[in-house]
Amino acid sequence: DAGVTQSPTHLIKTRGQHVTLRCSPISGHKSVSWYQQVLGQGPQFIFQYYEKEERGRGNFPDRFSARQFPNYSSELNVNALLLGDSALYLCASIRLAGASNEQFFGPGTRLTVL
Amino acid sequence: AQSVSQHNHHVILSEAASLELGCNYSYGGTVNLFWYVQYPGQHLQLLLKYFSGDPLVKGIKGFEAEFIKSKFSFNLRKPSVQWSDTAEYFCAVNAINDYKLSFGAGTTVTVRA
Repeated sequence: DAGVTQSPTHLIKTRGQHVTLRCSPISGHKSVSWYQQVLGQGPQFIFQYYEKEERGRGNFPDRFSARQFPNYSSELNVNALLLGDSALYLCASIRLAGASNEQFFGPGTRLTVL
Repeated sequence: AQSVSQHNHHVILSEAASLELGCNYSYGGTVNLFWYVQYPGQHLQLLLKYFSGDPLVKGIKGFEAEFIKSKFSFNLRKPSVQWSDTAEYFCAVNAINDYKLSFGAGTTVTVRA
C-alpha cells in the first residue's frame, strides 16, 4: 500500500522564479493539505483541498496557489519566489472520518531559493 | 485560531531515562490532539492521537500521552527511552471538523547511548 508521494525531492530556484510541487495521496484518500516547514519550526498550514475544491487556506500570500486533480493528486504553485520561501513543503493525505480526521505526511520537497 | 506551545526546545537524555515532553494549546472549543515524530532523514509520522474518550492514549513504540482538558495540555511520555528515540517531536491540534493542523515548534530529543 503506497504512502504519500511527493516530487521532486529537492529543488533549487532563484528569486523571482516560479515553482510547482506535486503530491499524490494515499489510494482512497480524497483530500490533501499542504504545509510549509521552515528550519527550526513546526509545519505551517497553507491549503487544504477536498474533491478538487479549496476548503481551507492559511496565512500565505497570493503568490501561493494550489489545485487538486480528478485523481486527487495535487500541485502547489509558488510565484515570484523570495528567499524566505526556502523550506520543506509537506503534503498530507487526509483520511476523512467525521470529526476524527487523520493526516499522513509525505517525505516533502526541500525548496532552496537563492 | 488555535496555537500550540511546546515547552522544551531540546532535551538530552541517557538511555533508559524517562521522557516527558510538554504541550499546551489555546483554543476554546473541542479539539483533536496529535503527536508526530520525525526521525533523522525520515518524514513526519503519527505517534499517537486523541479524539475522545479515555484521556490517556497509547501510541507506537511505547509512547503515551495524557489529555488534561482543564490545563489545555497533552503531554507525551515514555518510561524508558532508547537511542532510536532520537528525533524531533511535534505536538499538533485541530478543531474537530477542521482539517487545519496547528503545530508546535517541535522538541528535539537526543538520547545518548
